[in-house]
Amino acid sequence: AQSVTQLGSHVSVSEGALVLLRCNYSSSVPPYLFWYVQYPNQGLQLLLKYTSAATLVKGINGFEAEFKKSETSFHLTKPSAHMSDAAEYFCAVTRLDYGGSQGNLIFGKGTKLSVKP
Amino acid sequence: EAQVTQNPRYLITVTGKKLTVTCSQNMNHEYMSWYRQDPGLGLRQIYYSMNVEVTDKGDVPEGYKVSRKEKRNFPLILESPSPNQTSLYFCASSLTGAAGYGYTFGSGTRLTVV
Repeated sequence: AQSVTQLGSHVSVSEGALVLLRCNYSSSVPPYLFWYVQYPNQGLQLLLKYTSAATLVKGINGFEAEFKKSETSFHLTKPSAHMSDAAEYFCAVTRLDYGGSQGNLIFGKGTKLSVKP
Repeated sequence: EAQVTQNPRYLITVTGKKLTVTCSQNMNHEYMSWYRQDPGLGLRQIYYSMNVEVTDKGDVPEGYKVSRKEKRNFPLILESPSPNQTSLYFCASSLTGAAGYGYTFGSGTRLTVV
């Protein structure tokens, strides 16, 4: 069965510093992978997705993620943190063990990013 | 504006009193789903629907019902709510149920059962 592990429930960085949020997945076949962001009191918004094209995926707000099959990882990075990046981030993988929809997503438990001035 | 609309945003109810959380999307999406979000547990899928009249259980369906009579609507029904159903609920939709499509999420419904 597929699963997603996000290392670190809380990450704190200084404004201008590198943001690195870690995501590892388990899947018996090449997965589709997603990063979502949740700002306070809002729903989740798609940041970027990997669907087996380029391994380096660029998303909105300057974020990018690299799919590394050998490491089963899909870490999210941003070169320079901004105060507005403070939010909770969720990694998700396509669920393939259901007989019905392959669009079902399994979400990690989330990482809260704090940005210090 | 393309969106998923949930109502209500906040709801406090008592144990055993039936309630419905509505979800509507205006994007002609085939696929819709309900998730609950709890601290430290992330999002867990309750039910999903591939299309009209086609629904299936997710990981935590106990205590919930859904229906999909129209493409745009996917209400979540709690026939007899209990305190362990206190949670933040999200409705999501996607163009199809095929892999690779991302979800559009509603703004959430915060439910408290006392």
